[in-house]
Amino acid sequence: DAGVTQSPTHLIKTRGQHVTLRCSPISGHKSVSWYQQVLGQGPQFIFQYYEKEERGRGNFPDRFSARQFPNYSSELNVNALLLGDSALYLCASSMGRRSYEQYFGPGTRLTVT
Amino acid sequence: GQQLNQSPQSMFIQEGEDVSMNCTSSSIFNTWLWYKQDPGEGPVLLIALYKAGELTSNGRLTAQFGITRKDSFLNISASIPSDVGIYFCAGRGFGNEKLTFGTGTRLTIIP
Repeated sequence: DAGVTQSPTHLIKTRGQHVTLRCSPISGHKSVSWYQQVLGQGPQFIFQYYEKEERGRGNFPDRFSARQFPNYSSELNVNALLLGDSALYLCASSMGRRSYEQYFGPGTRLTVT
Repeated sequence: GQQLNQSPQSMFIQEGEDVSMNCTSSSIFNTWLWYKQDPGEGPVLLIALYKAGELTSNGRLTAQFGITRKDSFLNISASIPSDVGIYFCAGRGFGNEKLTFGTGTRLTIIP
């Protein structure tokens, strides 16, 4: 079975621009979570979605938003990009809302210049 | 954002040696997970722990959920070259779904 997939793999944007990152969960998984990983640190929780509804939000500004589609895939949107948004953005999927074993995709490397 | 404390920060060992690392939190967690991350890739789930005192093995890896619910431990026996990477602990608290990750332990095998 295919694992979690993310696109694009790499992305370079300019300050002030907007970016959309995409994630497809493992088949049968209904929950998707997004994390930001800055170089040298562990991942930081951004959002969790289950059945198309936001179920959890981390300490990130409103410039960050996300949604989940009927096929359980998800998008993460970031507006008004800042240099500090440069990071590896990870998507993780799990089977259900109370399944805590999260499986990660390879990530999208975002560079803001 | 909050990160759990992992120690040691880095380890340099020879192939065949055993490895021990731990993770501590100021908060109580309901679930502990251990992940391994290779450069340029996403974290890979190694072991999940759900009950205080629980000891779980996955091949050469053994992890324990601390009795206080504020810590967890990971041991790797007879290390091999493919064990090289960064190991992260992650905890889940009560009433929420998010995982809080540790600062990571970088494992290097000296030839």
